[in-house]
Amino acid sequence: GAVVSQHPSWVICKSGTSVKIECRSLDFQATTMFWYRQFPKQSLMLMATSNEGSKATYEQGVEKDKFLINHASLTLSTLTVTSAHPEDSSFYICSAAPQSSTDTQYFGPGTRLTVL
Amino acid sequence: GENVEQHPSTLSVQEGDSAVIKCTYSDSASNYFPWYKQELGKGPQLIIDIRSNVGEKKDQRIAVTLNKTAKHFSLHITETQPEDSAVYFCAATPWALNFGKGTSLLVTP
Repeated sequence: GAVVSQHPSWVICKSGTSVKIECRSLDFQATTMFWYRQFPKQSLMLMATSNEGSKATYEQGVEKDKFLINHASLTLSTLTVTSAHPEDSSFYICSAAPQSSTDTQYFGPGTRLTVL
Repeated sequence: GENVEQHPSTLSVQEGDSAVIKCTYSDSASNYFPWYKQELGKGPQLIIDIRSNVGEKKDQRIAVTLNKTAKHFSLHITETQPEDSAVYFCAATPWALNFGKGTSLLVTP
């Protein structure tokens, strides 16, 4: 149980294009989902917290107009990197907190984004 | 906000030995302390967690201890195996997870 999927697992795009990453909780409902960014050999940096049906809460320094988050249902959240640039290249990981245990987070496998 | 310190940053042990990773936190309101294992190119996997009303929790070869007074908690892995090699992250939260910087564990045969 407690499986979280992400799609795609990797993506390469040209500078200036937008990329959408999906995060799904497969066997549980998640009121809250989180998006993290991880640089090589570093820890996870929380980008934003999204609650189903409401606007995401962004961490300081994260541009909400660049990283669009939509949490349309209890099992799906999407992150769209708009007008991507090479500095946006990173490993993006989502997590989901079950309704039954809201402080426990289960992570997806991550999405490797490379912007050329 | 919460500040989580994790030590050591790297740890090398021989197969069969024990490994201990320690974390300290600053926010006394933190009440949930998970540990994650991350293999290269993959997302973090929850391996064990502990809540503030418990001092110790064990799951087979893995155990976590919590000292709320001293604000530190530790991960103990016994009888280590090569497949335990990975990066381990601790976290603490009264709400959002605040991660330590990770410990790269290498178990050599």
